[in-house]
Amino acid sequence: DTAVSQTPKYLVTQMGNDKSIKCEQNLGHDTMYWYKQDSKKFLKIMFSYNNKELIINETVPNRFSPKSPDKAHLNLHINSLELGDSAVYFCASSQERLATHNEQFFGPGTRLTVL
Amino acid sequence: SQKIEQNSEALNIQEGKTATLTCNYTNYSPAYLQWYRQDPGRGPVFLLLIRENEKEKRKERLKVTFDTTLKQSLFHITASQPADSATYLCALLNTGGFKTIFGAGTRLFVKA
Repeated sequence: DTAVSQTPKYLVTQMGNDKSIKCEQNLGHDTMYWYKQDSKKFLKIMFSYNNKELIINETVPNRFSPKSPDKAHLNLHINSLELGDSAVYFCASSQERLATHNEQFFGPGTRLTVL
Repeated sequence: SQKIEQNSEALNIQEGKTATLTCNYTNYSPAYLQWYRQDPGRGPVFLLLIRENEKEKRKERLKVTFDTTLKQSLFHITASQPADSATYLCALLNTGGFKTIFGAGTRLFVKA
């Protein structure tokens, strides 16, 4: 029973292409996130949605557009891919709880390689 | 700007010893601090949360301290085992915030 799933796990594509990464969580959480982890292993937040509404949009190029059709899904579409977009992208979800405050559950990651 | 620093060097210790990992931060006043574990090729997994008004938190072999004056958290694994080998990430959150700031992590190797 996968809690947070992402597809695809690996994505290799040419510069200039458009691609999407899908994320689904079956935990009933109301907040979902996208993170980018670069080669130096820094995990940087890109977007956060709470109840399908965008609440965090870090300094991310307009080429990245998240879409949340419902609370259980948060997809990431990337236009005109660039070499610098190569990274591992993680989806995560959370539910505010007193004991663990915003403990996040992460997906397995999508390794994007732009050639 | 907000900055989180963790031991950039990998930490190598012998099985059975206590591993101590450090997380220092600047230009931030977090209400909460979390520690996550990340194995190669996988997403981070939540381990512990400590609040700004708590000095110490324990869970099984794990212990976390939080010193808001020093702006530092220490993460201890006692009686370490080879299975504890992983990267450990420190993360800061402010009150009511959905924005979590992560450190780059410290790679821990526990030798049998």
